[in-house]
Amino acid sequence: DQQVKQNSPSLSVQEGRISILNCDYTNSMFDYFLWYKKYPAEGPTFLISISSIKDKNEDGRFTVFLNKSAKHLSLHIVPSQPGDSAVYFCAANKRDYKLSFGAGTTVTVRA
Amino acid sequence: DGGITQSPKYLFRKEGQNVTLSCEQNLNHDAMYWYRQDPGQGLRLIYYSQIVNDFQKGDIAEGYSVSREKKESFPLTVTSAQKNPTAFYLCASSQTGGETQYFGPGTRLLVL
Repeated sequence: DQQVKQNSPSLSVQEGRISILNCDYTNSMFDYFLWYKKYPAEGPTFLISISSIKDKNEDGRFTVFLNKSAKHLSLHIVPSQPGDSAVYFCAANKRDYKLSFGAGTTVTVRA
Repeated sequence: DGGITQSPKYLFRKEGQNVTLSCEQNLNHDAMYWYRQDPGQGLRLIYYSQIVNDFQKGDIAEGYSVSREKKESFPLTVTSAQKNPTAFYLCASSQTGGETQYFGPGTRLLVL
């Protein structure tokens, strides 16, 4: 039962443009959301998180938006750089010990 | 320099053999986790530990076992009962439940 869904398996974007990654969830008890970046054969690296009491959180080139009524969050990367080419995972938590992950979106930044 | 280390980077298992994956953290985190990643899928939770000498099953615990004798260490044993062990295994830790989890570099397990 996939409670966190990333419906776009891949995204291709030109260097310097905006990358927008989307994530939907079904469990209304989730109240903490995270984005991780992963290179092949490496562990995920934490990027940014957002609590359900907020609708936006920004950290440098990365901004996460949360729409609780739609059970939807998105990650914006501006501007996209070649080093951003990786798999991005959305994850959600009920403030307990279990993180639920989406299947990931592979981002390719074109020169 | 705080972080999580996993060893070995690659591990080969023969049929009927138990193998143990190592995970060590020096972040002084109370909670530790083991996940499995299969191609094209997200991470799935195998086991987690909230504190020393305590651990709970995750979503896919069958065929795996763990121990937590020290705060810094959370080894995972893949037993012969795990029929499809080929995967990328990731260890993580967090200060407590509900906090951000930080991941190690992973171990690739292959079956001979």
